[in-house]
Amino acid sequence: EAQVTQNPRYLITVTGKKLTVTCSQNMNHEYMSWYRQDPGLGLRQIYYSMNVEVTDKGDVPEGYKVSRKEKRNFPLILESPSPNQTSLYFCASSLSGGGNFKPEQYFGPGTRLTVT
Amino acid sequence: EDQVTQSPEALRLQEGESSSLNCSYTVSGLRGLFWYRQDPGKGPEFLFTLYSAGEEKEKERLKATLTKKESFLHITAPKPEDSATYLCAVRLGGSEKLVFGKGMKLTVNP
Repeated sequence: EAQVTQNPRYLITVTGKKLTVTCSQNMNHEYMSWYRQDPGLGLRQIYYSMNVEVTDKGDVPEGYKVSRKEKRNFPLILESPSPNQTSLYFCASSLSGGGNFKPEQYFGPGTRLTVT
Repeated sequence: EDQVTQSPEALRLQEGESSSLNCSYTVSGLRGLFWYRQDPGKGPEFLFTLYSAGEEKEKERLKATLTKKESFLHITAPKPEDSATYLCAVRLGGSEKLVFGKGMKLTVNP
């Protein structure tokens, strides 16, 4: 089954304790991305990756790191989490496409993070 | 500044009562407009992609249309199972960023 998986699905942690949220896709997609979703603010893009070893900032990258060492995996790293990073996080992937062709993204089930 | 605005923020319909959701955008160089459906506690699920003004896509009771400034998601004779939050997103020219609107929560009462 084609899917995007995230782990963990729920996480409660304390301020300053480094954490990693994993994301994996089995569709051989080049493009992967991380979003956070907050009430009243909608989905906002954190980082995206066009392919292995190629990453770029989205609209809200502060406080986050990513890496893309393998095509299927795109972990999100919070080196020193703070309470304002409490949110619902989604990973997504898509074919990269060329020119004006920009395929749809497929989203994972989400990770609900609480930082106390 | 690139913006995507969805209206209304919430909509209640009776089963069978058709309506339309609006997504207006002010972006430089649109390279695709996407509609997603999101159920509570789940990730967004892709519905449609529109690339150029005049384009239309249909799926069951949903029809998406695109003009140079906005997109509409028309819902014909909705059923309670159409209740969800509907998200609109645009991909910007010269960028691989995807900008989402804040979503529109649709409730269809039986």
